Amino acid sequence: EIVLTQSPATLSLSPGERASLSCRASQNVNRYLAWYQQKPGQAPRLVIYDTSNRAAGIPARFSGSVSGRDFTLTINSLEPEDFAVYYCQHRSNWLTFGGGTKVEIK
Amino acid sequence: QVQLVQSGAEVKNPGASIKVSCKASEYTFIGYYIYWVRQAPGQGLEWMGWINPNSGDTDYAQSFQGRVTMTRDTSTTTAYMELSSLTSDDTAVYYCAKVLEWQQIKGALDLWGQGTKVTVSS
Repeated sequence: EIVLTQSPATLSLSPGERASLSCRASQNVNRYLAWYQQKPGQAPRLVIYDTSNRAAGIPARFSGSVSGRDFTLTINSLEPEDFAVYYCQHRSNWLTFGGGTKVEIK
Repeated sequence: QVQLVQSGAEVKNPGASIKVSCKASEYTFIGYYIYWVRQAPGQGLEWMGWINPNSGDTDYAQSFQGRVTMTRDTSTTTAYMELSSLTSDDTAVYYCAKVLEWQQIKGALDLWGQGTKVTVSS
């Protein structure tokens, strides 16, 4: 079973700054990794799928990349509505989710 | 519009069962697998299983096997998740979500229901 480890647990940034969120897979995986944004009291929202494809309606400041087993979600120039918890997810044998990274206002 | 609408919040006694509904609108219900994912208070996301709305085939996460049953009604485009023998550990928000790609068992979940809060308490 693939384990996804997200870091950091919390990222404190100011609006306008760049956020880089990491998701490391426990073994070599393919590119079937997705990222979700969740705000308090709301359902998760798909942001990125298949490592680097933006979901419908997601602004261009969101991007995804991979290097080996390390996946990264980058948010360029944080907007106030981007402060949320982000989860990565892989379509391995099980629908594995990472533990989440909270992006909070500094 | 394209959406998944879930049934309302419930409070259950330990040992009881819960059945949550998830009604799909404005897309081809039988074309996309539906997953159930739960989130305990302050915790992350945990997948419970999936159902193929076309065939009714299901697969459940090992931690829920024997306690969960997923069904669907194609005439009403509604999926259901029933969880039995509830304990306080089952207190959570339960979500249904559809897979992005046509007839793919696994994948990104691009449409989520609003969630159903289930509280298990005596």
